[in-house]
Amino acid sequence: AQSVSQHNHHVILSEAASLELGCNYSYGGTVNLFWYVQYPGQHLQLLLKYFSGDPLVKGIKGFEAEFIKSKFSFNLRKPSVQWSDTAEYFCAVIPGGAGNMLTFGGGTRLMVKP
Amino acid sequence: NAGVTQTPKFQVLKTGQSMTLQCAQDMNHNSMYWYRQDPGMGLRLIYYSASEGTTDKGEVPNGYNVSRLNKREFSLRLESAAPSQTSVYFCASSERASGNTIYFGEGSWLTVV
Repeated sequence: AQSVSQHNHHVILSEAASLELGCNYSYGGTVNLFWYVQYPGQHLQLLLKYFSGDPLVKGIKGFEAEFIKSKFSFNLRKPSVQWSDTAEYFCAVIPGGAGNMLTFGGGTRLMVKP
Repeated sequence: NAGVTQTPKFQVLKTGQSMTLQCAQDMNHNSMYWYRQDPGMGLRLIYYSASEGTTDKGEVPNGYNVSRLNKREFSLRLESAAPSQTSVYFCASSERASGNTIYFGEGSWLTVV
């Protein structure tokens, strides 16, 4: 079945450590790619999205993601995390022709220790 | 600017009871969605409405019904709640065209005992 995979379910980092969260998808053809963040007790917010053009996408709060088409990946990175980055992160994909229908990965819970 | 508003925020139901989750958006969006969020499974689409007057099944529609009451409102109904429907439910909205940001409500925590 076509899907979106986030292989790290839980990540624990100390402040100032670098972050990379993996996301792989199995859809062929054109895709639109997203990372959403859910802070404790809050709704999902868009971090960044990729539709076309430069495969390195910069988002809010110092996050970036790189689309590697050959690897079907869209990994999220941040050079130096803060305690306030503690949240759950979701990768999501809209396969070509699916309108605005997001398919989500299972999420990665990030805990940043002060 | 309220965005997407869901009610109730918390609800406990007994097996077999019915209830309706309400959702309203004030962004004049055409498309609205209902997702459920379960640990380790991300968000899964239950139903969506591409525009006023239309509704379609998503990935996990069984046990649910929806009504697109008007452009602003999109309700989700559980006719006979089951423990498997214990979840966090999120309503969302967007412009219809692909590529537009999807905005989420704050979620409704539902427990079925």
